[in-house]
Amino acid sequence: GDSVTQMEGPVTLSEEAFLTINCTYTATGYPSLFWYVQYPGEGLQLLLKATKADDKGSNKGFEATYRKETTSFHLEKGSVQVSDSAVYFCALKDSQFYFGTGTSLTVIP
Amino acid sequence: ETGVTQTPRHLVMGMTNKKSLKCEQHLGHNAMYWYKQSAKKPLELMFVYNFKEQTENNSVPSRFSPECPNSSHLFLHLHTLQPEDSALYLCASSQEPGGRDNEQFFGPGTRLTVL
Repeated sequence: GDSVTQMEGPVTLSEEAFLTINCTYTATGYPSLFWYVQYPGEGLQLLLKATKADDKGSNKGFEATYRKETTSFHLEKGSVQVSDSAVYFCALKDSQFYFGTGTSLTVIP
Repeated sequence: ETGVTQTPRHLVMGMTNKKSLKCEQHLGHNAMYWYKQSAKKPLELMFVYNFKEQTENNSVPSRFSPECPNSSHLFLHLHTLQPEDSALYLCASSQEPGGRDNEQFFGPGTRLTVL
């Protein structure tokens, strides 16, 4: 069945460091791919998405490219801020959503 | 403001209690969902409602009973829960369940502790 695997955290970075959170997926069809973010005490919010191979989703300085050949959708940001501290979820949607386990990111000043 | 509200935000209950979680969406969506979020596990989809009709029940124990009186409101009735049911329960809504790129909008969740 469909599934999402993302790197385990927690991840701790200094402000302005480069961020990569790895995500790979398994799907029988042609899913759309998403990154959601969960700030402390809140629900999940859509960060970015890509609906077909080679599409790049971007928002708030974050980017992820839909790589069909490697079944990956890695999240990147060139310079993280303290306000980026949150839990990040990779997800795919075919007939329904499948979420990863989440990766906790802490950015220290 | 995500447009999806949940009450209560925190709930502590004993194993013999009966309680209900409430979710309301103000987005005009037709589909609503309950998820269970436990530490170090993927979000678990519990129930899906489309136009008030339940379309998905992912083998959830009968001690969890959903109710969807209209497209804007969703309840999760709880009775005789177990300590392992302690988790964050998230409600979400979307325009419709299908569609590859239909995003879901989430509420803030109810943190449930079963003693």
